[in-house]
Amino acid sequence: AQRVTQPEKLLSVFKGAPVELKCNYSYSGSPELFWYVQYSRQRLQLLLRHISRESIKGFTADLNKGETSFHLKKPFAQEEDSAMYYCALSPHRGSTLGRLYFGRGTQLTVWP
Amino acid sequence: DAGITQSPRYKITETGRQVTLMCHQTWSHSYMFWYRQDLGHGLRLIYYSAAADITDKGEVPDGYVVSRSKTENFPLTLESATRSQTSVYFCASSSGGAVTGELFFGEGSRLTVL
Repeated sequence: AQRVTQPEKLLSVFKGAPVELKCNYSYSGSPELFWYVQYSRQRLQLLLRHISRESIKGFTADLNKGETSFHLKKPFAQEEDSAMYYCALSPHRGSTLGRLYFGRGTQLTVWP
Repeated sequence: DAGITQSPRYKITETGRQVTLMCHQTWSHSYMFWYRQDLGHGLRLIYYSAAADITDKGEVPDGYVVSRSKTENFPLTLESATRSQTSVYFCASSSGGAVTGELFFGEGSRLTVL
């Protein structure tokens, strides 16, 4: 079965500091991995997906298959990055194809 | 552009009552999803649908019923509401499922069961 683990419920950093939100997964195959973000009073939205290897709003995430991790990083946090972040996994095949499984989320607060 | 809308946004009901949460999308997306969001649990998939008349259970389907007679609508019914179903419910849609497509979420429906 697939599982997504975000070990930190809360994470606080000061503006300008580096930030890393941890995500570990368990899945027997090769999943697709995503980070979704929910800003205050806004809808949950896609931040980035590993297959695109893109940087969005200064965030990057590298898939480490050996460690089964997909940590989200940003070298210099900004106050507007304060939000709830969810790591998500989509099975690449099988009966659960097409679904998206989320971790419990990490609430990031960036202090001025 | 509304895209995907949920109604009602807020609902208070009593234990044992039937409640239906509506979800409507205007993109003709094939895939639609229902999640519940709870502190400590994050988002958990209740049901999803790959197309009209095709639905499947997610992680926490017990106590819920869905239907998909039209592509644009995906209502979620709590047949006999319980206090444990107090939650925020999110509907989402996607053109190609989670693997190939981005999920677009509604604003959420906050349900309180007394």
